[in-house]
Amino acid sequence: LAKTTQPISMDSYEGQEVNITCSHNNIATNDYITWYQQFPSQGPRFIIQGYKTKVTNEVASLFIPADRKSSTLSLPRVSLSDTAVYYCLRGGNKLTFGTGTQLKVEL
Amino acid sequence: GAVVSQHPSRVICKSGTSVKIECRSLDFQATTMFWYRQFPKQSLMLMATSNEGSKATYEQGVEKDKFLINHASLTLSTLTVTSAHPEDSSFYICSARARQRGVGTGELFFGEGSRLTVL
Repeated sequence: LAKTTQPISMDSYEGQEVNITCSHNNIATNDYITWYQQFPSQGPRFIIQGYKTKVTNEVASLFIPADRKSSTLSLPRVSLSDTAVYYCLRGGNKLTFGTGTQLKVEL
Repeated sequence: GAVVSQHPSRVICKSGTSVKIECRSLDFQATTMFWYRQFPKQSLMLMATSNEGSKATYEQGVEKDKFLINHASLTLSTLTVTSAHPEDSSFYICSARARQRGVGTGELFFGEGSRLTVL
């Protein structure tokens, strides 16, 4: 199984930048790294995907070092509505979810 | 953006009955759909991969005769929980991948999920 390791939980305050790091030591050459967000009783929602270096979109940035054994999701200026579980996935066609990181944003 | 719709969103049934959950890709064709199950405060667990026009591929430990998957068209996959029991109560989520051009594996779109409660 494609295994990733993330912190189980993180706390932050509104307006801060949050960085969630994921380890994927055995990443395969063809694997991409994808991050999803999930709110309670909803399906996961795509945040960002990358292969190496840096990827940025309108909601987040993804940093992947040259060895690709880890990746960091960066959420700029979080708000209360960013409180959710964030999943880091590695893989190709089939994606396996790890434990995820419960992010709690407070005032 | 692409949308995946699941129906029903909630279902309550008696033990021993069968329940069918539909997963539709609304504005794209999905040759492959995935079915996940999620218990409270746990991560999503992949149950099976559904390929259009062929038999589903089940993950280890998932009973194929209990969780029947049919992927009859490029926009519809169904999961039938047969002879449901209380331990089958869970949040079932489907996903589909839009065909991707260029680099990347393509975004995986998830349905809203279906909460099954078996009494």
